[in-house]
Amino acid sequence: ELKVEQNPLFLSMQEGKNYTIYCNYSTTSDRLYWYRQDPGKSLESLFVLLSNGAVKQEGRLMASLDTKARLSTLHITAAVHDLSATYFCAVDSNSGNTPLVFGKGTRLSVIA
Amino acid sequence: GAGVSQSPSNKVTEKGKDVELRCDPISGHTALYWYRQRLGQGLEFLIYFQGNSAPDKSGLPSDRFSAERTGESVSTLTIQRTQQEDSAVYLCASSPTGSLGYTFGSGTRLTVV
Repeated sequence: ELKVEQNPLFLSMQEGKNYTIYCNYSTTSDRLYWYRQDPGKSLESLFVLLSNGAVKQEGRLMASLDTKARLSTLHITAAVHDLSATYFCAVDSNSGNTPLVFGKGTRLSVIA
Repeated sequence: GAGVSQSPSNKVTEKGKDVELRCDPISGHTALYWYRQRLGQGLEFLIYFQGNSAPDKSGLPSDRFSAERTGESVSTLTIQRTQQEDSAVYLCASSPTGSLGYTFGSGTRLTVV
């Protein structure tokens, strides 16, 4: 059974600081997804990582994937208040359309 | 439509009543998924439809839950004899065949009182 673990689950950080969210998963997979969810809203796709060593960046967020370690990281650079949200990673274990397994999410709060 | 549409957006129901939630996926998306999100929690997979194949119902928590999909179009999730623990946001997502990642709807917030 595929399991996905995120840490930390809660993160309070000051504006301007850097931090990393970790996503570990239990079985072989080369497809990992990061989503953002604002309070009361649905999920918005941030990154799709498809291979070992993949790195993608969008603004102050950078995601990477190490399939050998079964680990993805979401790095936040110089945080701003607008990044406050819950971030989920998700993994699927096969090619094609199989249900994604989600982590529990990391609730990020960026404070002045 | 332009996105995944879910209705109603909010539903309050009395314990023991049946409810029906609707999801209208993006046109042409063959795969459709239902997830449940309890307050402050992650997403719990419920059921998955792929084209005309038999649905993957492995995530349905009890036989009170069922879902139907008409071809590659609208899906309805039915919860019979609702219980308070059914209170959650029910999210629907769709994707094209072989796609990478989903497009989510805005969800239906179900409250059982």
